[in-house]
Amino acid sequence: NAGVTQTPKFRILKIGQSMTLQCTQDMNHNYMYWYRQDPGMGLKLIYYSVGAGITDKGEVPNGYNVSRSTTEDFPLRLELAAPSQTSVYFCASSSHLWEVGNNSPLHFGNGTRLTVT
Amino acid sequence: AQTVTQSQPEMSVQEAETVTLSCTYDTSENNYYLFWYKQPPSRQMILVIRQEAYKQQNATENRFSVNFQKAAKSFSLKISDSQLGDTAMYFCAFMKRPIQGAQKLVFGQGTRLTINP
Repeated sequence: NAGVTQTPKFRILKIGQSMTLQCTQDMNHNYMYWYRQDPGMGLKLIYYSVGAGITDKGEVPNGYNVSRSTTEDFPLRLELAAPSQTSVYFCASSSHLWEVGNNSPLHFGNGTRLTVT
Repeated sequence: AQTVTQSQPEMSVQEAETVTLSCTYDTSENNYYLFWYKQPPSRQMILVIRQEAYKQQNATENRFSVNFQKAAKSFSLKISDSQLGDTAMYFCAFMKRPIQGAQKLVFGQGTRLTINP
């Protein structure tokens, strides 16, 4: 299992450009999440999904859009990039079976570092 | 809404020493989980330890242990016999136990821990 895979690892955008951060998981997890981590700060939830076709806003959704057409994929779209969106973006997935054992509830990808200049 | 506060932005200790990282949280929930995650420079999010709020016994994992004070809403992490590989950002996180639905974590701001040789 590859787990949660995010692409790209790094990206530089100019103000006003658009891009899609890709996220895919091969664990057949129902739940998927997007977090952002600003420098010196903790992770904040942007959007999450409880299954294909169902998404919901997290704490900081403004400036982003998501879709969940399949169980595996949960892309994050930035339509008009702004310097305030410079951050590291983490995708994660989970299942309802997480409480078994001493596991983390979330399986994280390795993040995408995005710089908007 | 739940909040998690880590009041120590940075800490530094000598190898083999013991270090304690602080975390406080605010919630009106009674059924929840608390976690400590480690984030090395690779950006990977690694679960260090977890604690169920209904368990009075403090969780331990090898050199890592917690001091969970439910009434005080405090959840500190103790690292014994610290090693160079413990150098990382450490995040405290809270999760309300979901009856159904997504596992949404709320993170603190993080503590950057440096272990010096």
